[in-house]
Amino acid sequence: DGGITQSPKYLFRKEGQNVTLSCEQNLNHDAMYWYRQDPGQGLRLIYYSQIVNDFQKGDIAEGYSVSREKKESFPLTVTSAQKNPTAFYLCATRQVPAPQHFGDGTRLSIL
Amino acid sequence: AQSVSQHNHHVILSEAASLELGCNYSYGGTVNLFWYVQYPGQHLQLLLKYFSGDPLVKGIKGFEAEFIKSKFSFNLRKPSVQWSDTAEYFCAVNARSGGSYIPTFGRGTSLIVHP
Repeated sequence: DGGITQSPKYLFRKEGQNVTLSCEQNLNHDAMYWYRQDPGQGLRLIYYSQIVNDFQKGDIAEGYSVSREKKESFPLTVTSAQKNPTAFYLCATRQVPAPQHFGDGTRLSIL
Repeated sequence: AQSVSQHNHHVILSEAASLELGCNYSYGGTVNLFWYVQYPGQHLQLLLKYFSGDPLVKGIKGFEAEFIKSKFSFNLRKPSVQWSDTAEYFCAVNARSGGSYIPTFGRGTSLIVHP
């Protein structure tokens, strides 16, 4: 069954801690994206990767980091430098020129 | 940088009413246009897309959208909404940036349909 798996669904973090969100895909798509969704602000692009071993900053990359060592995986690390990390995080994949496919998301909360 | 504006942040309708959600973008080059829907508790799903050709595109569940290039618009319409259309709707634009097409989303429109 092809798709995008984001884990965990809910994640809690203590202030000052880094936390990594997982995104795995078996769609064989080249491009992968991380978005942050906040109420009334839509989806804002954090990072994207068009190909393995390459990634680019999006509109709100500060306080986040990513890696793309494998085509199937694009983990997002929320660092302690991110001042307002509580949000819903969405991972998407795309095989140009088709539209994006989205995962179910991870909701991150600060304890 | 490209931007996407959705003018209606919250829309409340009764069943059978007609729906039109506005979407405008700022980019002068070639664009691909999309509408996504997010039902409560679910992931984003593609409603419809425009790449080229007929500017009136039809999507799933009776939705359609019209691309008007001169107005930089891609409004979503449905002649008669149902309670099950209650969801958040996002307009998205893929615009060319440095050799790549980067998707940009609007802020979303929350639609509530009363039975």
